[in-house]
Amino acid sequence: AQSVTQLDSQVPVFEEAPVELRCNYSSSVSVYLFWYVQYPNQGLQLLLKYLSGSTLVKGINGFEAEFNKSQTSFHLRKPSVHISDTAEYFCAVSDLQGAQKLVFGQGTRLTINP
Amino acid sequence: GAVVSQHPSWVICKSGTSVKIECRSLDFQATTMFWYRQFPKQSLMLMATSNEGSKATYEQGVEKDKFLINHASLTLSTLTVTSAHPEDSSFYICSAREPGLVGELFFGEGSRLTVL
Repeated sequence: AQSVTQLDSQVPVFEEAPVELRCNYSSSVSVYLFWYVQYPNQGLQLLLKYLSGSTLVKGINGFEAEFNKSQTSFHLRKPSVHISDTAEYFCAVSDLQGAQKLVFGQGTRLTINP
Repeated sequence: GAVVSQHPSWVICKSGTSVKIECRSLDFQATTMFWYRQFPKQSLMLMATSNEGSKATYEQGVEKDKFLINHASLTLSTLTVTSAHPEDSSFYICSAREPGLVGELFFGEGSRLTVL
């Protein structure tokens, strides 16, 4: 079974500052890794995903994440945030076989202050 | 990208009544859909995997008779909360996987259920 830990429940950042949202996972098998964003009262939108290949993954809205197998991490970064980035961010993993169910972390609330 | 739509977005019902939430894949056929529940300011908890033409697979601790899931066609899955009680109030989100697309799930807009 897989598990995901997002180390920060809330991250306040000033506009145009860089941000990193941390994610660590646990799994006995190889996994796919994802970051999703959720705006209030909405479903989830995929930011980026790691399936294989290059460990640096670029996504939408200027976000990127780096897969580190030795540290079992998949931290999300953005060099300069905007007010519109205020949302809840979820890291998730799924195994490669079977139903490929997504297991989510607890979420990180990113708040951008002017 | 693929679109998944849920209906209704909001529903308020009296305790003891049943509520049905629909999840549709609008531009692709989904043999598998997933139903999640989200409490305020918490993560998404997988409730069940909905399989077209067969019984749903429920996660441990989820009452099958309470949360009825039907996946009658390749584009529609329904979640019925039977004999709803205030503790069933939550945000329910469905998702589906587009065939041939590895790993990624597409999510509906969510349905907020309030049981009075």
